[in-house]
Amino acid sequence: GAGVSQSPSNKVTEKGKDVELRCDPISGHTALYWYRQSLGQGLEFLIYFQGNSAPDKSGLPSDRFSAERTGGSVSTLTIQRTQQEDSAVYLCASSLTRGGAGEQFFGPGTRLTVL
Amino acid sequence: AQTVTQSQPEMSVQEAETVTLSCTYDTSESDYYLFWYKQPPSRQMILVIRQEAYKQQNATENRFSVNFQKAAKSFSLKISDSQLGDAAMYFCAHNAGNMLTFGGGTRLMVKP
Repeated sequence: GAGVSQSPSNKVTEKGKDVELRCDPISGHTALYWYRQSLGQGLEFLIYFQGNSAPDKSGLPSDRFSAERTGGSVSTLTIQRTQQEDSAVYLCASSLTRGGAGEQFFGPGTRLTVL
Repeated sequence: AQTVTQSQPEMSVQEAETVTLSCTYDTSESDYYLFWYKQPPSRQMILVIRQEAYKQQNATENRFSVNFQKAAKSFSLKISDSQLGDAAMYFCAHNAGNMLTFGGGTRLMVKP
């Protein structure tokens, strides 16, 4: 079956512009996660969705970042007024179950470059 | 808060040899899970192996095995019979709830 997909694969934008990154999780997976991977570093948690529950936004670095998940499936991460420090790879993951035991399946990521 | 530390930014191994990647973590949770993920140049994160903290037996997946020392909060990955396809970034991660906390990664190079 299809894995987690993300679009676009690469995005180049100018400082101050807004960008939207899309994630299509594996069908049937109730949990969805967004992570950010800055150059040469590990992944940093951004936000977590579980079913219809309120999302865990504790990892969002500023109020310029927001995310939504429509119909319990597709998710969009929006970055407003992009800054150069937002340049990174943004990875989405989904899992079948909530909590620590569930294996998270990752998408290929979106590489964002802010000029 | 959880933290995960990988002290080896880069490691190198000869093809067919064995290599061990180190990972230490800090957590206040008693029930948690530990993972090793592989990230090749394609950026796709691939789960290599998983360990439940309540299990004393070390997890094994074919050529990959872990040395889990709960008291020391250590979780190292051993790769036996290294292959060229093992070359990648390896990330250690901890999960006690909703999200994974990752270490900074170790770049593994495999020499033919």
